[in-house]
This record gives sequence, structure tokens and C-alpha cells, in this order.
Amino acid sequence: AQSVTQPDIHITVSEGASLELRCNYSYGATPYLFWYVQSPGQGLQLLLKYFSGDTLVQGIKGFEAEFKRSQSSFNLRKPSVHWSDAAEYFCAVVGVGGDYKLSFGAGTTVTVRA
Amino acid sequence: DVKVTQSSRYLVKRTGEKVFLECVQDMDHENMFWYRQDPGLGLRLIYFSYDVKMKEKGDIPEGYSVSREKKERFSLILESASTNQTSMYLCASSPRLAKNIQYFGAGTRLSVL
Repeated sequence: AQSVTQPDIHITVSEGASLELRCNYSYGATPYLFWYVQSPGQGLQLLLKYFSGDTLVQGIKGFEAEFKRSQSSFNLRKPSVHWSDAAEYFCAVVGVGGDYKLSFGAGTTVTVRA
Repeated sequence: DVKVTQSSRYLVKRTGEKVFLECVQDMDHENMFWYRQDPGLGLRLIYFSYDVKMKEKGDIPEGYSVSREKKERFSLILESASTNQTSMYLCASSPRLAKNIQYFGAGTRLSVL
């Protein structure tokens, strides 16, 4: 079964600084990978996804993620953080094929300081 | 835009009560999901449904049941609520041809006293 690890529970970053959130997955083959964001009091919004092809994926809100098969990682990045990026971020994985089940990491909370 | 609506944002119930959490989606999606979100555990799948009247157990179905009588509505039922079911509950839906692209509701925060 697939699983996801987000090593950082909480990250604090200054507004305008760069942000990188780590995600490692465990799966026997190349899975489908996702990043979601949850703003306070809201549901989850899909930021980006990787299914195949180019390993650098662009998403909404200026985010990108890079799939590295050799490291089983799918890290999320943003070059310059805005105060509105303060939220909880979840990495998720699903096996290719008929599987419906997304497996989520525990989440990383991002705090943005002025 | 896809809209997934959960009927209540906050609910407070007593131990032993029967609790219904309702979810409606307006995009004619075949698949619907119920997750539970707890700090440090991420989201865990309770049940999902890939068609009307069809359901499959997720990772943590114990203490829950579901109902899908209409395509747009997916209900989560706590037959006898317990304090360890205090949590945030999230509903999601996805289309048949992109079942992994899930759209989430805003969540229902349930407190069982």
C-alpha cells in the first residue's frame, strides 16, 4: 500500500522569502501525486498534480513541485511567499490504475511572518 | 466551478445520538468520498461511493455507515456517536474519468460530548 510522509509539521517563513515543503512517498511504482492546500476554516483545494511526463509541475497560486523518482519525493516550492499562503498543505498519493483511494500525509502548517 | 456543499459547518451532539452528515455536489460526479481529518494524522478515508447505492469501505469505517440514494447526495451516518468521533469531516467528489481529482467541501466540525 502507498504511504506519504511530510517530515515538517510546521514551517515559519517571512513574507517574500522562498518556501519548500517536503513530501516523500512509498509505492512500488510511479504513483499519481498531488498537493492540496487548506486555508483556515476551508476545505482542501488542489494546487497541482503529477501523473506522468515533465517532472516539474506548475500549479495555481504560483506553486510548483518537482517529482524525483530516485528520491521518492515530490517537494512543493514557491519562490516568494505572500501572507495569504499561510495555510496547511497536504501531499497525497494514489496508485496508478483502478485505485480510488488517496493517501494523505499528516500535513505541514505554514506560518507567514511580516 | 465544482461545488461540494456540506450542510453544517459545526455540530455538537451527545454520546449515543444518531448523527447525519450531509454532502451535496452539483457537478454530476459519479464518485463521492467521506474523510475524517485529525491533527497529525492528515485525512483518512471512511467510505466512498462510485455510483448510486454503491459503497466501499475505506481505511476507518468502524462506527460509520453511509447512504447514497441520489447521485448528488452522500450521507455519513454515525449510528451511536462516541466522543472519539469528535473530528473534522470532509466530503469530496470526483468524476468517473478523473476519479483521483477530488473536490472538497468546507468540512463539518463535529463535537461529541
